[in-house]
Amino acid sequence: ETGVTQTPRHLVMGMTNKKSLKCEQHLGHNAMYWYKQSAKKPLELMFVYNFKEQTENNSVPSRFSPECPNSSHLFLHLHTLQPEDSALYLCASSSLAGGRETQYFGPGTRLLVL
Amino acid sequence: GESVGLHLPTLSVQEGDNSIINCAYSNSASDYFIWYKQESGKGPQFIIDIRSNMDKRQGQRVTVLLNKTVKHLSLQIAATQPGDSAVYFCAETVQGAQKLVFGQGTRLTINP
Repeated sequence: ETGVTQTPRHLVMGMTNKKSLKCEQHLGHNAMYWYKQSAKKPLELMFVYNFKEQTENNSVPSRFSPECPNSSHLFLHLHTLQPEDSALYLCASSSLAGGRETQYFGPGTRLLVL
Repeated sequence: GESVGLHLPTLSVQEGDNSIINCAYSNSASDYFIWYKQESGKGPQFIIDIRSNMDKRQGQRVTVLLNKTVKHLSLQIAATQPGDSAVYFCAETVQGAQKLVFGQGTRLTINP
């Protein structure tokens, strides 16, 4: 176990549904990340939070809405998604935000949008 | 622009043999590189990193080589074991950047 948990592990939703992904880290880190991993595509950074403040939004569509209530929890609220949004969504954390900080990943949420 | 890519999408080796996974990058400003391993059903796991002021770094059964002249990175795994079967990603970043740029990934399969 990496100390980063994600729920649910699998999610199927329709395009009109609203759902949320949850991530929790037990490592005492101050930075948290959301990534999207699609088949045959590199891991794509979506959002970065450092000390609960969003510091990076990698041109993510507004149908993805992140929330970071504290340094240990990160949510990704999903609304009116498209089938092409089906992917593995990975959460990660690091001591501080920064490319040189070792990131610890959760197991991911496998999302299928119908 | 910055991009990281892998030469081969799949690699199969016999158990006990050594394996080499390659990665090319195009951003000459990148100064820090990381290899991650992702097993089925799990998130990526840090393996080893290297800074641009080094050309080689060794860990336990793994060695990373960096050739800045040709912008090439490789991961060598010695005496491969079944547990080494996974997808391996290289990633790069530049000093001050908040994000890593990940490569496509190579699937390594260890044959018994």
